[in-house]
Amino acid sequence: GENVEQHPSTLSVQEGDSAVIKCTYSDSASNYFPWYKQELGKRPQLIIDIRSNVGEKKDQRIAVTLNKTAKHFSLHITETQPEDSAVYFCAAIGTNTGNQFYFGTGTSLTVIP
Amino acid sequence: GAGVSQSPSNKVTEKGKDVELRCDPISGHTALYWYRQSLGQGLEFLIYFQGNSAPDKSGLPSDRFSAERTGGSVSTLTIQRTQQEDSAVYLCASSPPQPYSGNTIYFGEGSWLTVV
Repeated sequence: GENVEQHPSTLSVQEGDSAVIKCTYSDSASNYFPWYKQELGKRPQLIIDIRSNVGEKKDQRIAVTLNKTAKHFSLHITETQPEDSAVYFCAAIGTNTGNQFYFGTGTSLTVIP
Repeated sequence: GAGVSQSPSNKVTEKGKDVELRCDPISGHTALYWYRQSLGQGLEFLIYFQGNSAPDKSGLPSDRFSAERTGGSVSTLTIQRTQQEDSAVYLCASSPPQPYSGNTIYFGEGSWLTVV
């Protein structure tokens, strides 16, 4: 199956700075990469996703980039705010894995006011 | 329904008792997942159902854990002879046959299990 690795496990940034979280995957057939945000005591919720036929996608202050050759993708959060503090999970799926989702181990982001 | 529904939302049980956790996925979603999440930890994969295929049970931590999905819809996760280390949030998620942007994997609110 797929193996997704995520780094760093914890990240602290000053309010207004940027945060970057990186994930790598092992299955070159993986073709869809969502990112989830989990606030304390709540369920993970989708914040942005990207398919393998594009290299970058933006939605206001968040963006995701994908490098298919290197098999890694990254989440970028600009102008961070305290409400961005949460745990972020990346995931990958591919046809070789029957469209099963594989999640990274999570990154705990703290935005310091 | 509109989202993934889980019950009970909270369960306190005595050590050694059996518990059943229920998940009702989004209508039309053929895939269903169970995850366990301890406080401050990541998503621990337990089991994956996809349509009529044999489930991927590779994440079940012991033979005390089992899950079934009847009629390709509702799923029940059963924990027998509960132990204190079973205390965690149990998250269910479902996804469509061909996930894509805007139609992806969605999580329930979770069942918070406390074993005393």
